[in-house]
Amino acid sequence: EAGVVQSPRYKIIEKKQPVAFWCNPISGHNTLYWYLQNLGQGPELLIRYENEEAVDDSQLPKDRFSAERLKGVDSTLKIQPAELGDSAVYLCASSLRGLDTQYFGPGTRLTVL
Amino acid sequence: AQSVTQLGSHVSVSEGALVLLRCNYSSSVPPYLFWYVQYPNQGLQLLLKYTTGATLVKGINGFEAEFKKSETSFHLTKPSAHMSDAAEYFCAVNSNTDKLIFGTGTRLQVFP
Repeated sequence: EAGVVQSPRYKIIEKKQPVAFWCNPISGHNTLYWYLQNLGQGPELLIRYENEEAVDDSQLPKDRFSAERLKGVDSTLKIQPAELGDSAVYLCASSLRGLDTQYFGPGTRLTVL
Repeated sequence: AQSVTQLGSHVSVSEGALVLLRCNYSSSVPPYLFWYVQYPNQGLQLLLKYTTGATLVKGINGFEAEFKKSETSFHLTKPSAHMSDAAEYFCAVNSNTDKLIFGTGTRLQVFP
């Protein structure tokens, strides 16, 4: 069974530029999560989807961050414009449903110069 | 509110020695508890989890953890460390929401 797929794995951009990350969850998983992991820290939830609906986006900085999950499968996380402080690893995870085990992708390491 | 405290950001052991990584949690309701491992430049992999039932939980790669409600702890152990165990380990709690709250992680180094 394929795991959670994320792309790109690495991204380097200059500040004020836009950037987008893509996630393909495990087939059949209804719940999809985006996490932010700063260096030396544990992941922190940005947004959680149940199918197409964002059910928890309370930690998503909505002035510059946006996300979508069309058709309840793949998801895209966007930052526009990026700031230096956005440099981090962005992790995607999925689970069959809430409270089930979350399976993580390899992450996208973003560097903003 | 839920929280997780991992004591010791770095732990070093010799190969073959006991591994003990500490985790204490705070939760107002019975928690689900998890240990994840993260190898360099990779995502998180589930080692083990506690939901209900037996308080001693066995996971992959010879790891186990014991849920102690009275001590609000969920420490991770392995009797004999291998070089391949060197990684970052995260404890996490989920208390009847869908949000995993992670600790800040413990980096395990294994020396030959």
